[in-house]
Parts: sequence; C-alpha cells; structure tokens
Amino acid sequence: GQNIDQPTEMTATEGAIVQINCTYQTSGFNGLFWYQQHAAEAPTFLSYNVLDGLEEKGRFSSFLSRSDSYGYLLLQELQMKDSASYLCAVIKAAGNKLTFGGGTRVLVKP
Amino acid sequence: SQTIHQWPATLVQPVGSPLSLECTVEGTSNPNLYWYRQAAGRGLQLLFYSVGIGQISSEVPQNLSASRPQDRQFILSSKKLLLSDSGFYLCAWRGTPGEQYFGPGTRLTVT
Repeated sequence: GQNIDQPTEMTATEGAIVQINCTYQTSGFNGLFWYQQHAAEAPTFLSYNVLDGLEEKGRFSSFLSRSDSYGYLLLQELQMKDSASYLCAVIKAAGNKLTFGGGTRVLVKP
Repeated sequence: SQTIHQWPATLVQPVGSPLSLECTVEGTSNPNLYWYRQAAGRGLQLLFYSVGIGQISSEVPQNLSASRPQDRQFILSSKKLLLSDSGFYLCAWRGTPGEQYFGPGTRLTVT
C-alpha cells in the first residue's frame, strides 16, 4: 500500500514563510503533487515534482528528494488568502491514480 | 481549454433515496475521469475511476456505483443512500503528466 504523512495544521503570520513537509512510502514512485483547497471549495493544482530539486512558481515553491521519500511546499510572503488546506499527493509509474495525504491546514494570522 | 462541470452543486436527500450526480468535461478527448468523496474535515477518498467509455474501476466497496455512458460524461449513482454517504463529491480529469483537475463539487447531505 501507500502511506503519505503531512502535518495536520500550521499557523503563521502574514508576510512570513511556512514549509509544509510531506513524506511518503510507496513502491514505483513517479511524482509528487501539491494542491490548495480553500474551505468549501474544490482543490486546485499547484505544482508537480518528478525530479529531485526545487521548482519555483512565484511565492510558492516545491521540493522533492526521491532518495529520502520526502518533499515540501514552501509558501513565502504569506498573505491572508493563503489560509487553506494544502494536499500532498503521489503517483506511481504508469499509474492512473493519485494517492492523497490528509492535508495540512494553514492558518495565516495578521 | 478544458472545463469540468458538476451538478447539482448542493443536494439534500433522505436516507434510502436514490442518487445521481453528473460530471462532464469539455475541451479534451478520452480523458481519465475520477470520482472522489471528502467527508467534513477529512482527506480525499477515491471512489471510482474510468479510463474510457464503459470502463470503471472501483476503489472501495460501498453502495455507490459509477457509469461512463459517453466519452466525456461520468455519473455517480446510488440506489439507496445511507447517512454515511454525506460529503463533498468531486469529479476530476487527468492531465499530463498525471495531475488531476477538479470540478466544483457537489455537497450532499443525507438526512
């Protein structure tokens, strides 16, 4: 089976940086995805990592280390609108399915 | 560009009643399609996925079923709803290299 772990909740101040870690145990790993989900809304795709390293997209960056079965999502210059749940997901090689973690709820305070 | 539609947006149904939720995708052909359920405050649970017309894979045993009568249409059904079927139902399609794009969802309350 597959197991994905991420913290349940994190709190940070507006303008600060928060790093959401995700560890996974899966055979045939082929990629790590991050989604943002605001309350009562559908998840939206943020980023995808298949190779080791950092992918930067504006204020959001995502990192992957395949050898450590670990990745993170880095949110910089936090804004109030960044308060949401962030979901980590993995895909297997030649797989049709994503397996999601339970999500990390981020609360940004003024 | 691709668009995914779901309806209805919200639904309140009594226990034991039937259910039909519809999902349609525009702007892509032969997409992989997925049904998820999210209980309040919980993560996403994959219910069904389909790689083509008439091809359905079930992920968890339950009183729900899915059908794909057309290339860009995916339907979730139940003959008799249970209280535990309440939740946020999301349809998604798969892009390349494997990310999924979600529809707006249907919030179902079984009373």
